[in-house]
Amino acid sequence: GAVVSQHPSRVICKSGTSVKIECRSLDFQATTMFWYRQFPKQSLMLMATSNEGSKATYEQGVEKDKFLINHASLTLSTLTVTSAHPEDSSFYICSAGRGAGKETQYFGPGTRLLVL
Amino acid sequence: KNQVEQSPQSLIILEGKNCTLQCNYTVSPFSNLRWYKQDTGRGPVSLTIMTFSENTKSNGRYTATLDADTKQSSLHITASQLSDSASYICVVTFKAAGNKLTFGGGTRVLVKP
Repeated sequence: GAVVSQHPSRVICKSGTSVKIECRSLDFQATTMFWYRQFPKQSLMLMATSNEGSKATYEQGVEKDKFLINHASLTLSTLTVTSAHPEDSSFYICSAGRGAGKETQYFGPGTRLLVL
Repeated sequence: KNQVEQSPQSLIILEGKNCTLQCNYTVSPFSNLRWYKQDTGRGPVSLTIMTFSENTKSNGRYTATLDADTKQSSLHITASQLSDSASYICVVTFKAAGNKLTFGGGTRVLVKP
């Protein structure tokens, strides 16, 4: 149990376009989902926390208008990178919280974004 | 300053050998401490989880230890296999941070035949 999927696994887009990444909890309901980005040879950095039915909480330095997060159901959260630029190229990983709080997180396989 | 520090940054070992990775954290109390394995281009997968009162936890050839007094944890890999080549990340959940996960920088392990 506790499987989290992401789609797509990798995407290449032109600069200025928007890209949507989906994160799904396949076998459990997740009231809280998290979005991370990871640059090469670095650890994961939390971008935002999304709660089902409410606005996401963004970490300091993360532009909420650029990284739009929607958590419309207990099994789906989406991250939309708007007007993507080459510096947005990164590995985006979501996780879903299961259980009482944030401490129990199950990670998705990640999405590799390359902006040309 | 990162509250979770890992060492070494990278490690090369021969197949079949053992190795130990270190994780030091600077703030307590915490809810739990996890070790994750992250293969290249994949999301992290949980190996072990320990609460404040636990000293050791095993998962196959992986054994994690925790010393709450010295605020240190280690991950021991026994009889390494080529598939153990990955990054190993220590993640601490600090109560003072609202149970937000704090990630160490990871140790990149390369197992050579």
